[in-house]
Amino acid sequence: DAGVIQSPRHEVTEMGQEVTLRCKPISGHDYLFWYRQTMMRGLELLIYFNNNVPIDDSGMPEDRFSAKMPNASFSTLKIQPSEPRDSAVYFCASSLAAQQARFFGPGTRLTVL
Amino acid sequence: QKEVEQNSGPLSVPEGAIASLNCTYSDRGSQSFFWYRQYSGKSPELIMSIYSNGDKEDGRFTAQLNKASQYVSLLIRDSQPSDSATYLCAAISGGYNKLIFGAGTRLAVHP
Repeated sequence: DAGVIQSPRHEVTEMGQEVTLRCKPISGHDYLFWYRQTMMRGLELLIYFNNNVPIDDSGMPEDRFSAKMPNASFSTLKIQPSEPRDSAVYFCASSLAAQQARFFGPGTRLTVL
Repeated sequence: QKEVEQNSGPLSVPEGAIASLNCTYSDRGSQSFFWYRQYSGKSPELIMSIYSNGDKEDGRFTAQLNKASQYVSLLIRDSQPSDSATYLCAAISGGYNKLIFGAGTRLAVHP
């Protein structure tokens, strides 16, 4: 099992640029989650999907953030335009069911200059 | 009040000792609890799940859950320097299927 796959692993961009983060969940997992981790705020849930449908996006900080899941094996998190305060590690995670553990990908470290 | 609270540490223990990590949660409807280990620069890694009151053992790790007191703990026996990491406690919120994380406790095991 390859686990959750994320790309890119590192992204450095300039303020105002569009950033797209990608995720492939574990095959067979019905839930996909996007988290953001910073020193100040810890791990925060941004949005989650069930069977490719967005269920709760209340954690998405602003309209600059959007997420899609066009099929069961792929999701994107887009930030447009990016700002320095978006700098963080973004994790994608998946799980088999709502009450079960989330399995995390390696994360994307985003730096916005 | 934070939904899942942990002491940030660092908790320093000598090699071979028992490390005890504690966590409290505020949502009485929570039914599923997890401990994750996170090494610096890495992603959280699941080490224990617990759903029922009592103890659950897995190798050197024991998770304890007390729903009446709303606390979860993790014991690490025979601590090793390789156990040095941040340990994150997490609970799934009762009504929303969201996994809420505590801020994490940094554990340092010294030789």
